[in-house]
Amino acid sequence: EVQLLESGGGLVQPGGSLRLSCAASGFTFSSYAMSWVRQAPGKGLEWVSGLSGSGGSTYYADSVKGRFTISRDNSKNMLYLQMNSLSAEDTAVYYCAKCSNGDYVYYWYFDLWGRGTLVTVSS
Amino acid sequence: DIQLTQSPSSLSASVGDRVTITCRTSQSISSYLNWYQQKPRKAPKLLIYAASSLQSGVPSRFSGSGSGTDFTLTISSLQPEDFATYYCQQSYSTPGTFGQGTKVDIK
Repeated sequence: EVQLLESGGGLVQPGGSLRLSCAASGFTFSSYAMSWVRQAPGKGLEWVSGLSGSGGSTYYADSVKGRFTISRDNSKNMLYLQMNSLSAEDTAVYYCAKCSNGDYVYYWYFDLWGRGTLVTVSS
Repeated sequence: DIQLTQSPSSLSASVGDRVTITCRTSQSISSYLNWYQQKPRKAPKLLIYAASSLQSGVPSRFSGSGSGTDFTLTISSLQPEDFATYYCQQSYSTPGTFGQGTKVDIK
């Protein structure tokens, strides 16, 4: 079955760190770029970070640049998001999303989403 | 970053109505525009990509049009399962910014 399954969310104190994971199955993981998209409670969607299929190109939203690091292990079909220096503004459901292409070029779109994992930053 | 503005932010409609949602971008993006549907507590679902291409499995009552800076998502005859929030997203440049969403609810 083609699916994405996120894990690693939870409650963390301001200034803390958390590592999210996304397990992919049912498709050739290394052929596709992947992303993390988040949604704060009651708010819209925000693209957080992306990574090409090879792992050679990374992209970050300004709001997380320097604090978050995206990575992947193509041998394990896993995507990760290391989040440091967390603040209340990072509280959100974090979705793992598969890109239609190997990189964020030409006509790309998110054609597969996970169910999301909730990150709550609070003291 | 490219800004996307959807209108309206919300609308009330009845089953069978024709519904149109607009997305305007802050700069020209050719046809690099996607549409997603999100139901409460669910992940988004791709409806339309490249402005007017229907994703496999999506009902034909959904259609997209536009290019440059102005885009439209149309639902030709609203069905009960279509009550949801709809987002546009540009893929012209990274970050692939989203519009703020349009909530479609029952009149």
